[in-house]
Amino acid sequence: VQLMQSGAEVKKPGASVKVSCKASGDTFTHQYIHWVRQAPGQGLDWVGMIKPSVGKKKYAQKFQGRVTLTSDTSTSTGYMELTSLTSEDTAVYYCIRDYDNKGPGYWGQGTLVTVSS
Amino acid sequence: QSVLAQPPSASGTPGQRVTISCSGSSSNIAINIVNWYQQFPGMAPKLLIYYNNQRPSGVPDRFSGSKSGTSASLAISGLQSEDEADYYCAAWDDSLDGWVFGGGTKLTVL
Repeated sequence: VQLMQSGAEVKKPGASVKVSCKASGDTFTHQYIHWVRQAPGQGLDWVGMIKPSVGKKKYAQKFQGRVTLTSDTSTSTGYMELTSLTSEDTAVYYCIRDYDNKGPGYWGQGTLVTVSS
Repeated sequence: QSVLAQPPSASGTPGQRVTISCSGSSSNIAINIVNWYQQFPGMAPKLLIYYNNQRPSGVPDRFSGSKSGTSASLAISGLQSEDEADYYCAAWDDSLDGWVFGGGTKLTVL
């Protein structure tokens, strides 16, 4: 299982960012894809998850209204869009595929999003 | 403030057995599975233990997980220098309707 994420982004406060995550083979559609972020020197923070085959989504309460998870099954790619960015959104964002429907398992390499004026 | 509580640090000498605790509540650990992750500096985390006590292929049997009530533990036996890393627990939380992580434990091999 391989997950390849898009490259680093630098955004200004108030802007939006969209991070992509391309999965290998047929490992994409039928299991959840999670998004987790890690601020510099901090722990892991679950953002949300999406099941591409049915479009079912769940978001962490703290990101509700600011984050949108989408997927394109034709290209096995998942997307995370985060709006109204502040400096506190500066973090590495990871996409992760479920491990046999038992939670986050296979991690992408991470995408650094820097929010700075 | 993480929903799951872990000690910020742990240490041991080579060959020793070390345990890392993860304390939760009736809405997460008590009723749902617990996973553990290992993270080296500058790298993405890696799944170490899933479904409370199962090891993905390739994970040495020196690593083991257990769960009792609202707490879970990760044990590392025969500690090696390459085990020095950050360790995180995670579980589904029914009240929050999402996954929650512990704050992480930095393991130092003395």
